[in-house]
Order: sequence, then C-alpha cells, then structure tokens
Amino acid sequence: GAVVSQHPSWVICKSGTSVKIECRSLDFQATTMFWYRQFPKQSLMLMATSNEGSKATYEQGVEKDKFLINHASLTLSTLTVTSAHPEDSSFYICSAREGTEVAEAFFGQGTRLTVV
Amino acid sequence: AQTVTQSQPEMSVQEAETVTLSCTYDTSESDYYLFWYKQPPSRQMILVIRQEAYKQQNATENRFSVNFQKAAKSFSLKISDSQLGDAAMYFCAYRSWGAGGADGLTFGKGTHLIIQP
Repeated sequence: GAVVSQHPSWVICKSGTSVKIECRSLDFQATTMFWYRQFPKQSLMLMATSNEGSKATYEQGVEKDKFLINHASLTLSTLTVTSAHPEDSSFYICSAREGTEVAEAFFGQGTRLTVV
Repeated sequence: AQTVTQSQPEMSVQEAETVTLSCTYDTSESDYYLFWYKQPPSRQMILVIRQEAYKQQNATENRFSVNFQKAAKSFSLKISDSQLGDAAMYFCAYRSWGAGGADGLTFGKGTHLIIQP
C-alpha cells in the first residue's frame, strides 16, 4: 500500500522560533498534498492544499504567512510554522494523493508540536 | 460549503456485538465521495471504508459496511462482530468529486467507540 512518512513525530520549540515539518510520499508521486490540524479530542481541520509546483491554497482563517507550505517535488511537501506561539501547539497531519482521479489520499503519522 | 455531522460523541458496545455509527452531511453537489476513518490512540488515520455517491450499492469491507442514503444525506457505518481492536475514534468524511485536485476532506467531529470485553 501507499506510504506517507511525516517527520518529525513530535517537536518542542521555543516561542518565537520556526519549525519545519516534512511530509514524504515514499512509493508514489503525490501531485496533491493536504495539511490538517487537530486539537486535542477534536476533529481534523483542513489547513491548506498544495499541488506540486504551485502555490498552496489556504482555507479561510488560516494565516498563510504563519503556515508556509512548500510542495517543490512530487514526493515532498513541507509545512513551516513561523514565529511559533503556544497557541500553535497542536497535532499536524499531512496526506498525499496521486492524481485527481484517485479517490483516496494517504495519511502520514502526524506531528505533535509543542511551543513553550 | 459542505458540512458533516456525527451526532454520537461516544458509543459503547459489547465485544462480538454489532454497532452502528451515524453520519449525516449537507451538500449541494451530486457527485462526491464519503469515507469512514479510524483513528486509534496512535493517531494514525486509517481508512475503514469508502463510498462513491454515484454507486447505489452500499460498500462493504469484511466486518464493516455502510448504509448510504443519498436522498437523506445519511452515511452510517455498521461494525459487526466488534473486536477489542476496533476501539478508536471514528470520523466520517466528505470529499468533492473532480474538484481539480484542490479538495481536501471535510470531517465530522468524530465518535469515540468503546468495546466492552
């Protein structure tokens, strides 16, 4: 089956610093990648959609200058949380899909971000 | 915009029994996908079952089946012969069909399924 690897699994950073999260499709070419955020005991909320070689499309209410998304290759997308604050602490999950005609996107294992 | 509603925050079932998780959704689209995902304590999202809206036949995957009522915009998940490993959060999700790739999933709030031994 298709494998999506997300790194790191968890990270702690100081307030004001930036942190980068990587999402890799290991055995397929991901033309589209998605980034979600999940607060404790809550659902997943779509943050942005990225297509390889294009600028990401952000959902309403998501600050694009704070959450920088890069999808420079067909196997890698990165999410950079800039000038992180404690309220950015959350669980971030990526998913990747091969093509637009495919129904299913595969999920990474998620990254727990704690900003102190 | 589409919305997905799961009205059962928590459900409990005896091992080996059958349980049904409810999901309703709202959309003006005629073509779309519906999914049920399982999220165990590891928080890895695992696809349980998928349904294409154009298909009248309800999807089944071993012990998991759905009751898809398109007119009623209802998509319930039935788990037969419940096992301890089924304990998890279950999310119902919606995806538009053919939106050019710029379409992520809209999730419901989830149902916490407890399996009683």
